[in-house]
Amino acid sequence: RKEVEQDPGPFNVPEGATVAFNCTYSNSASQSFFWYRQDCRKEPKLLMSVYSSGNEDGRFTAQLNRASQYISLLIRDSKLSDSATYLCVVTLPTGGFKTIFGAGTRLFVKA
Amino acid sequence: NAGVTQTPKFRVLKTGQSMTLLCAQDMNHEYMYWYRQDPGMGLRLIHYSVGEGTTAKGEVPDGYNVSRLKKQNFLLGLESAAPSQTSVYFCASSERGGLKQYFGPGTRLTVT
Repeated sequence: RKEVEQDPGPFNVPEGATVAFNCTYSNSASQSFFWYRQDCRKEPKLLMSVYSSGNEDGRFTAQLNRASQYISLLIRDSKLSDSATYLCVVTLPTGGFKTIFGAGTRLFVKA
Repeated sequence: NAGVTQTPKFRVLKTGQSMTLLCAQDMNHEYMYWYRQDPGMGLRLIHYSVGEGTTAKGEVPDGYNVSRLKKQNFLLGLESAAPSQTSVYFCASSERGGLKQYFGPGTRLTVT
């Protein structure tokens, strides 16, 4: 089992749609959780940190369920510019904080 | 404030050649990382450093060496390149472990 697993994608949605990404992690000792965005042939950039209480940034909402070891990202009112790959990232407090990236889910938003 | 920079951006090597990739950050971050990204596999950690003069192995360290002689620089070396090392290499830094990582623009390496 992979340490961080994401929906395989790709997701193809029309502009204005709501889309949800899911991610599960295998190690219950995981400490920090993030969603990164990666545009084609570019570097990953932090989208949001994820907290148990949930957090929202404009059209983006992230949620963490520690009991189920599950992380989600919800994008409302999708824009063309949201087209990218979304990476789920988990860190473990071992050996310099091991950082594990999911393989990513590709999103295509179409007009 | 340039953030994280990487040189070179592109490189083509022949099997057996060596090269060094340079990563520099101007944010005074303690932690630095080298990743490789291959299609369908996500980013995999090669080596990392938790401070000047320290290095440690990540998930896929074989065939690579690193050095961090100065806090702002993290070098990744390939002593004898192999086609399996064809990949996109990203450097990243963070203030300390477990926090947001800032990535460089990447180096696209092809080994023929």
